[in-house]
Amino acid sequence: DIQMTQSPSSLSASVGDRVTITCRASQSISSYLNWYQQKPGKAPKFLIYAASSLQSGVPSRFSGSGSGTDFTLTISSLQPEDFATYYCQQSYSTCTFGGGTKVEIK
Amino acid sequence: QVQLQESGPGLVKPSGTLSLTCAVSGGSISSSNWWSWVRQPPGKGLEWIGEIYHSGSTNYNPSLKSRVTISVDKSKNQFSLKLSSVTAADTAVYYCARVNSLYGSGSYYRIFDYWGQGTLVTVSS
Repeated sequence: DIQMTQSPSSLSASVGDRVTITCRASQSISSYLNWYQQKPGKAPKFLIYAASSLQSGVPSRFSGSGSGTDFTLTISSLQPEDFATYYCQQSYSTCTFGGGTKVEIK
Repeated sequence: QVQLQESGPGLVKPSGTLSLTCAVSGGSISSSNWWSWVRQPPGKGLEWIGEIYHSGSTNYNPSLKSRVTISVDKSKNQFSLKLSSVTAADTAVYYCARVNSLYGSGSYYRIFDYWGQGTLVTVSS
C-alpha cells in the first residue's frame, strides 16, 4: 500500500500570508496526486489534480507542485474562506489520503 | 448537476453489519464513472473504502477488504455499502462520491468530483 504523509498536521496563519503544505508518498506516484479542501461539517471539495492542474473555478491563489514522492500545495495569499483542512490523495494505485493539514486563524 | 445522497441506519450494534445506500440523481450510474465510498472518523482524516463500476467490478481498500461488499442497482440508480463485523472503530461519517477521470499531461487522473453530504454511523450497543 502507498502511504501519504502530510506536514504540518496543523498551522496558524493570518489573512494575506503565504501558506505551504507538504505531502510525501511512500513510493513514487509520478504526478497522480490530488488536493482537496474540507470545511467543518462538509464534504471535501476537489481543488487540484495531476499535482499542479487547477480545477475549474478554483482561485488562482491556490497552486500545486511536485512529482515522484514530494508534493506541495501553496496558497499565495490566504483569504478568510481558506481556513479549512486540506488533504492530499494519491490515485496511482487505488486510493490513499494524507492525514490532513488544518489551517487555522492566527 | 450530479447529486449523491447517502441513507441508512445511524446506529449499528457491535458485531453487526453496517448498510448504507447512495442514491444518484442528475446523472446515470451507468455512465463511464466509478462510484466510491469514503469514511471519516470523528475528528480524523479520510479513508477510502472501495469503489464499484456499473458492470459490477469492484476495488476495495486492502485493510477493509475482508469485511466490505459494494454493490450496484442500476434499476434504482444507486449503489450500496455493507461492512460486516463492525466495532467502535467503524464509527464515522460515511460519504459516497463519484470518481471522474480528468485528462492532463498525457494521462488520465482519477478524482472525486461529486460527493454526498455524508451520514454519521455510530457503532454502539
